[in-house]
Amino acid sequence: TQLLEQSPQFLSIQEGENLTVYCNSSSVFSSLQWYRQEPGEGPVLLVTVVTGGEVKKLKRLTFQFGDARKDSSLHITAAQPGDTGLYLCAGAGRVGGQNFVFGPGTRLSVLP
Amino acid sequence: KAGVTQTPRYLIKTRGQQVTLSCSPISGHRSVSWYQQTPGQGLQFLFEYFSETQRNKGNFPGRFSGRQFSNSRSEMNVSTLELGDSALYLCASSAASYNEQFFGPGTRLTVL
Repeated sequence: TQLLEQSPQFLSIQEGENLTVYCNSSSVFSSLQWYRQEPGEGPVLLVTVVTGGEVKKLKRLTFQFGDARKDSSLHITAAQPGDTGLYLCAGAGRVGGQNFVFGPGTRLSVLP
Repeated sequence: KAGVTQTPRYLIKTRGQQVTLSCSPISGHRSVSWYQQTPGQGLQFLFEYFSETQRNKGNFPGRFSGRQFSNSRSEMNVSTLELGDSALYLCASSAASYNEQFFGPGTRLTVL
């Protein structure tokens, strides 16, 4: 059983469409990070959310942390081919014997 | 500020050999974590070092070991390599154990 679930697993959309990916857990986290990873490279940190209910915007990306700090969403407006990649969420806090727990990721493909 | 560096970037070994991977964290960061990433298992936590001490360990066999030096640089060693050890090995640094993590580009290990 994954401590952090992400949905959908795969998403293929056309350039210009909007999308939302979700990160869910039954555990409470002290903070949650979102990363984007391209093939053969390390994950790149996009944002950290700390406060329940917090919303952060990074250009066309909007991140929300759930009120109970157990879940998060990432919304992309007008997706572009450059948004293609694996989106990973990671919860921080002593869960499952680890300081950070990673979700399995959402693989996004934006077609031109 | 320079990011996390990992060497080598690519490595090809044969079964039974051993390998040492190196990670230099961001200057001032004292926590270094290692992860194994494979297509089937996603990101799996190996271990975390903080101020030269291993603080957490994932569910990997004893063939996987690591250490951290006084300058926070870290190495991980895998002995008696198996085909299933082929993966992208990622190192992440953070200022403290629960702070956000920053990843290096990874070392792609192929075991033949």
